[in-house]
Amino acid sequence: DAGVIQSPRHEVTEMGQEVTLRCKPISGHNSLFWYRQTMMRGLELLIYFNNNVPIDDSGMPEDRFSAKMPNASFSTLKIQPSEPRDSAVYFCASRPRGATNEKLFFGSGTQLSVL
Amino acid sequence: GESVGLHLPTLSVQEGDNSIINCAYSNSASDYFIWYKQESGKGPQFIIDIRSNMDKRQGQRVTVLLNKTVKHLSLQIAATQPGDSAVYFCAEAGNAGNMLTFGGGTRLMVKP
Repeated sequence: DAGVIQSPRHEVTEMGQEVTLRCKPISGHNSLFWYRQTMMRGLELLIYFNNNVPIDDSGMPEDRFSAKMPNASFSTLKIQPSEPRDSAVYFCASRPRGATNEKLFFGSGTQLSVL
Repeated sequence: GESVGLHLPTLSVQEGDNSIINCAYSNSASDYFIWYKQESGKGPQFIIDIRSNMDKRQGQRVTVLLNKTVKHLSLQIAATQPGDSAVYFCAEAGNAGNMLTFGGGTRLMVKP
């Protein structure tokens, strides 16, 4: 199993530009999560999907952030326009089918730097 | 322990010694707890989990202890090795939802 795959691994962009982060969950997993990690705030849940449907997006910082999951094997997190304070590591995680198991499997993350 | 803000608490141990990493959780309704290990440049990796109907669970070289009375979780690593050097996070989840809430993390440094 290849695990959760995220791309790109690193992204450097200028303030105001659009940024799109991508995630491929583990095959067969039906829940997908986007987290943001910073030194100041630790790991924060941004949004999660069950069966491709967004369930809770209360962690999304503001309207500049949007996430989609068009099918069971792909999700995107988009920031438009990006700002320097968005600089962080963004993790995608997926969870196996089965409500009693909350264990998440994380990707390697995308290191985002907004200049 | 837990961290707030910029600085992660750090635990420094000698190779071969046992390590104990502590976590205080906040929600008395949480009924599922996990420890994750995060190495530099990588995503968090699952180590061990425990449900609230247990107070101890053992894995390979790791033991998790849960004290619901004082809302305290600990991770014990036996015979700590250099490869154990990482940041360790506890996370909790409750019946109200399936979302994990992560603690701030503790950095473990293993001295050879």
